[in-house]
Parts: sequence; structure tokens; C-alpha cells
Amino acid sequence: DTAVSQTPKYLVTQMGNDKSIKCEQNLGHDTMYWYKQDSKKFLKIMFSYNNKELIINETVPNRFSPKSPDKAHLNLHINSLELGDSAVYFCASGRHESYGYTFGSGTRLTVV
Amino acid sequence: AQTVTQSQPEMSVQEAETVTLSCTYDTSENNYYLFWYKQPPSRQMILVIRQEAYKQQNATENRFSVNFQKAAKSFSLKISDSQLGDTAMYFCAFMKKRGSQGNLIFGKGTKLSVKP
Repeated sequence: DTAVSQTPKYLVTQMGNDKSIKCEQNLGHDTMYWYKQDSKKFLKIMFSYNNKELIINETVPNRFSPKSPDKAHLNLHINSLELGDSAVYFCASGRHESYGYTFGSGTRLTVV
Repeated sequence: AQTVTQSQPEMSVQEAETVTLSCTYDTSENNYYLFWYKQPPSRQMILVIRQEAYKQQNATENRFSVNFQKAAKSFSLKISDSQLGDTAMYFCAFMKKRGSQGNLIFGKGTKLSVKP
């Protein structure tokens, strides 16, 4: 069983479209995260949810909206996609900070 | 704000040899956690090793070990008996000790190539 699963793995879409990325974890963790990895491989946190409550909301355009229907799911919806949104988006979950995070396999988003 | 610096963008090593990847960080916190993650070409982020700042003993996981120097704010990763499968991006990361809501802060990574 995959611990943190993201769908889709690849997403190619046109500018201006709206798209969603789904994430589910079966580890029983209370906290889930979205990270963005840019073309230079730099990883930066976007959002953090703890038990469905938004904890961290970094400086991210409000076109990005996370939604957590329950503590096992954290989806990312992106409106009006722009070329600069092209990146790999990682979902992760964590139980306690001493253990680090478990990451999903990432979603490569390409905006054309 | 915390920062993590990896000063070696790329490194290479011959198979079976030993290589050390550098990481320094800046923080005013006294209690925190440090991690090394591996990202092979498959893109998956894999936790390699972790260190708790209040433990002086360096962490070890099989061929992977760290040299943690708290006063110098240094956290290097040593890979012994390098294998071709160790070829990957390696990221150093920092997290404050602050409940389960911690923000994992990453360095920019070191691309390691293991040559046959």
C-alpha cells in the first residue's frame, strides 16, 4: 500500500485552465503539507494542514487553494493557471517533527 | 528565519569510495531536527537519516552517517562504499521542535553522481 499517494503524476494543461491535484495518506498522520519544487529543484512549503485546519499558508498566489475534507486528504486546486506554475508539486504528511515527513511521488505540472 | 545552505551544487564519486556532502544552517533555536533526503531520478523523496539536535551522538544508518557539529551549525552526510543506486539529489533539511506543525526547510540540494 502506498503511504502517501498523489494523482495525477503528470498534468499538462493550457494557460488559464483550472486544475486539481489530489493527495491521500494512509499513515494516520495528523498533518499534511504541499510543497513546490521549481525547475532548479528548490523545495518550498506552500501549505500545511493539521487535522483539517490550515496551519501554514506561505506567500502563495490566492489562485492556489488547498482543501482538506478529512485528515487523510489534502487536495490542491489551482485557478487560472500561468506558465510560472509549471513545477513539481509534492504532498507530504507527518506525525511528529522528529520523524520528518513522508512524501508522495510528486505531480509534474506543465502549463503550456 | 532559518536557512539551510548546501555549498556543493554537484559532486561525483567512484563506486565503492566514500563521499561527504556538506550542509550548514542558521538558527537561533536550541532544539530542532535535521534530516537528509535523497531524490533519485524517479523523483521520489526518500528520508535517508535524521538527527535530533539535543543528541550529541551522530546518527548512522547502514552506509550513511552524519557529522553533526551543533556549535558550528554543520550537518554533513557521509556515504561509505558508494553504490550506483546512490546517484541522486541530496537535500539537507531543518525543522524546529515545535509540536507537529513544523515546517521542513530545505537546502538547494547537491547532485551526486556515482561513477562505475
